[in-house]
Amino acid sequence: NAGVMQNPRHLVRRRGQEARLRCSPMKGHSHVYWYRQLPEEGLKFMVYLQKENIIDESGMPKERFSAEFPKEGPSILRIQQVVRGDSAAYFCASSPDKRPNYGYTFGSGTRLTVV
Amino acid sequence: GQNIDQPTEMTATEGAIVQINCTYQTSGFNGLFWYQQHAGEAPTFLSYNVLDGLEEKGRFSSFLSRSKGYSYLLLKELQMKDSASYLCAVRVNAGNNRKLIWGLGTSLAVNP
Repeated sequence: NAGVMQNPRHLVRRRGQEARLRCSPMKGHSHVYWYRQLPEEGLKFMVYLQKENIIDESGMPKERFSAEFPKEGPSILRIQQVVRGDSAAYFCASSPDKRPNYGYTFGSGTRLTVV
Repeated sequence: GQNIDQPTEMTATEGAIVQINCTYQTSGFNGLFWYQQHAGEAPTFLSYNVLDGLEEKGRFSSFLSRSKGYSYLLLKELQMKDSASYLCAVRVNAGNNRKLIWGLGTSLAVNP
């Protein structure tokens, strides 16, 4: 079991470019969660998806950010027209159902740096 | 609002015991998690409590008191590799779903 796979591990973008972050959940997991982590702010929930459905996007900024989890392929977090404030670690977690009693499994994260 | 408090930093000695506290004020409590996160790495699951009492798992134990909105993580026989950030997270109701609210983490330094 390869665990939750995120790529790239590190991503550098210039202001105004687009960033695409990928997450493949653990085998058998159909629920995906994206989090953003800043050193002084801890982990912040962004969005919760199931296959082809966005279940809860209450943590997503209203503009420039979008997420999808297609029927085939990884979940994608897309940030358009990146700004310096988007620099952070973005973690993806997966679970086998929506009420896991044994925690969520996290990927290694993507560290986005906007220059 | 939702609020989770834990100490920012703690220091302990190799071989000793350390207790990391977490207090929370949330709505619709549905369980409390502890995660360990080493610098630059992903959080890894340590423990889950939904009922009051102590859950023991090897060198790590976690305690919950729902009436007091309080939990602690107890680490015994500390090892250098236990130096990490320890995150407390509470699962709360969010409409028809549930989500995790995270504390800022407690950075533990284990000294020889």
